[in-house]
Amino acid sequence: AQKITQTQPGMFVQEKEAVTLDCTYDTSDPSYGLFWYKQPSSGEMIFLIYQGSYDQQNATEGRYSLNFQKARKSANLVISASQLGDSAMYFCAMRETPSGTYKYIFGTGTRLKVLA
Amino acid sequence: NAGVTQTPKFQVLKTGQSMTLQCAQDMNHNSMYWYRQDPGMGLRLIYYSASEGTTDKGEVPNGYNVSRLNKREFSLRLESAAPSQTSVYFCASEGESNQPQHFGDGTRLSIL
Repeated sequence: AQKITQTQPGMFVQEKEAVTLDCTYDTSDPSYGLFWYKQPSSGEMIFLIYQGSYDQQNATEGRYSLNFQKARKSANLVISASQLGDSAMYFCAMRETPSGTYKYIFGTGTRLKVLA
Repeated sequence: NAGVTQTPKFQVLKTGQSMTLQCAQDMNHNSMYWYRQDPGMGLRLIYYSASEGTTDKGEVPNGYNVSRLNKREFSLRLESAAPSQTSVYFCASEGESNQPQHFGDGTRLSIL
């Protein structure tokens, strides 16, 4: 079974508008972390935002926010005021801690295209 | 401020050849990781090393070996390359528990 699911292979958004990229996860570990990364066409992986499973508030980093709904096991990324430079692949990832070591699982990604 | 450095950036191999991908980090991180990225499949963990002297298998370890040479360096070896190992390989390192992984720029490997 997929542990990280990104159901939107591709998304379009108009410049300056907000967009939500979906991510659902599955884990029985009470302590876990959720991450979003951006991969532009140049290929590097850029960290955007982190949410810990015990964090009470949704994480925010500039124009990025994470809509964390623990009971629904979802961790959607919200990008406000989209810019042309936001066009990229976006990956959701979960870190579990089985046996005290960290393991990461990545989703298959969402390709976002920002339209002028 | 190098972060995570991977070499080489590109490589073409013939089936059956061997090769070692190098990775070094200068952030004094304990944990290091090797991933492969294939179209439509995101990143899949090959091997990881929680600390110097330890390595563990990830999701797709078959056909690969790793060495954690010291705290800085974590290499990935393909003993007998196969076309199915054509992929982009990323090395990453991680420090504190609530910090993200830092990725290298990737190695694009083609096996003919």
